[in-house]
This record gives sequence, structure tokens and C-alpha cells, in this order.
Amino acid sequence: DVKVTQSSRYLVKRTGEKVFLECVQDMDHENMFWYRQDPGLGLRLIYFSYDVKMKEKGDIPEGYSVSREKKERFSLILESASTNQTSMYLCASSLTGVVEKLFFGSGTQLSVL
Amino acid sequence: DQQVKQNSPSLSVQEGRISILNCDYTNSMFDYFLWYKKYPAEGPTFLISISSIKDKNEDGRFTVFLNKSAKHLSLHIVPSQPGDSAVYFCAAHTPAAGNKLTFGGGTRVLVKP
Repeated sequence: DVKVTQSSRYLVKRTGEKVFLECVQDMDHENMFWYRQDPGLGLRLIYFSYDVKMKEKGDIPEGYSVSREKKERFSLILESASTNQTSMYLCASSLTGVVEKLFFGSGTQLSVL
Repeated sequence: DQQVKQNSPSLSVQEGRISILNCDYTNSMFDYFLWYKKYPAEGPTFLISISSIKDKNEDGRFTVFLNKSAKHLSLHIVPSQPGDSAVYFCAAHTPAAGNKLTFGGGTRVLVKP
């Protein structure tokens, strides 16, 4: 079974802090994604990566950056956390060309106070 | 501007009855549609999909219908079971987007015993 592991289930941070959300997948998937889930807005794509050291902006990249130094690991960075970044963050991975096989982690609920 | 919309944020249905979830889209370039199911404290999991060249796809109790002229799809669950209580996300794919999916806002389904 594919496993996508997100390092924290809950995080509480203060405004202005630098925040790192870590994600690891164990199935050698080329593609990795970061989404945020907000009520009524569904899942919105922040950033994605098709290969190591490669990144592309999604629909809402402002205030975020990412890092993919190894194929299995994709990190989301909030350079200076703000209260409007309080959200559920979901990491996902997939093989190229297999759109329905998007595997998600359990999510990180981030609260920025 | 949301390209994929689920206009009903919630749905309550009696066990054994039919659940109908609706999804509308605006981008005529979408070629593949998917439904994901999400339980609390878990990541979304793939449920069922349909290609734009079809108008129906069935998998056990789950059937997805696609009406391209109306840019509308629906998910039918028959019969509904208490274990179906979850949030359901509609998602869509375009060839130009690679492996990215665009998600709707979600519909929370409650199946009452």
C-alpha cells in the first residue's frame, strides 16, 4: 500500500514564525503536491513538483515556498506565517499519467495565532 | 473563480435510500472527472472516475453520470450506508494540466441509521 506521511497532525504557530510542513512518500512517485483544505473552498493547489528539485506554482502559491531535495520528500514552507494560513494542509503523490491514483496523507491542521 | 463547483455543502439521507451528489464545471477542456471521499482525520481517497467520452460509470453501489452539454456530473450512492458518511469531493482534469486536479468545495454526506 502507498503511504504518504505528514510529519505533524496538529501544529500551532505564532504570526511571523517560519513554518515547515514535511511530507514523505514511499512508492517512488514522481509527482508530489501540496493542497490546503478550507470549508466551502475544497482543496486548492499550493505547489507541486514533477521531479527532484523541480517545482511549479499551483493556484494559491502566495506566502508559500517548497523544497524537493529528494524524490520521496516534499516540504512546504511558510516563510512568515499569517492568520489567514490557518488551514488543513494535505500532501499527495502520484505516478505520472495515472491521474486517479492521487494518494493523500492524513493532513496537518495548522493554526496560526 | 472556481472551475468546479459543488453547490450543496451538505446532504442528509436515510440509510438504504439514494444519495445524489452534484457537481458543475465551467472548463470545457476537462477530459476526466473523479470523486474522492474523505473521512475526518484522514486524507481523501479515490472513489470513482469517468472519462469525458462516457456518460456513465458504475462501481458497485456507486454510479457517476456525466452530462457534457450541461457541464454537470453527479454521483449516486445506492443504497446509502452509515459508513458512507463523509465529505465527497468532485475533481476534474485537463490534458494541459499534467497530473494536476481541480477540486470542488466538497459535500458533506450524513447517512442516518
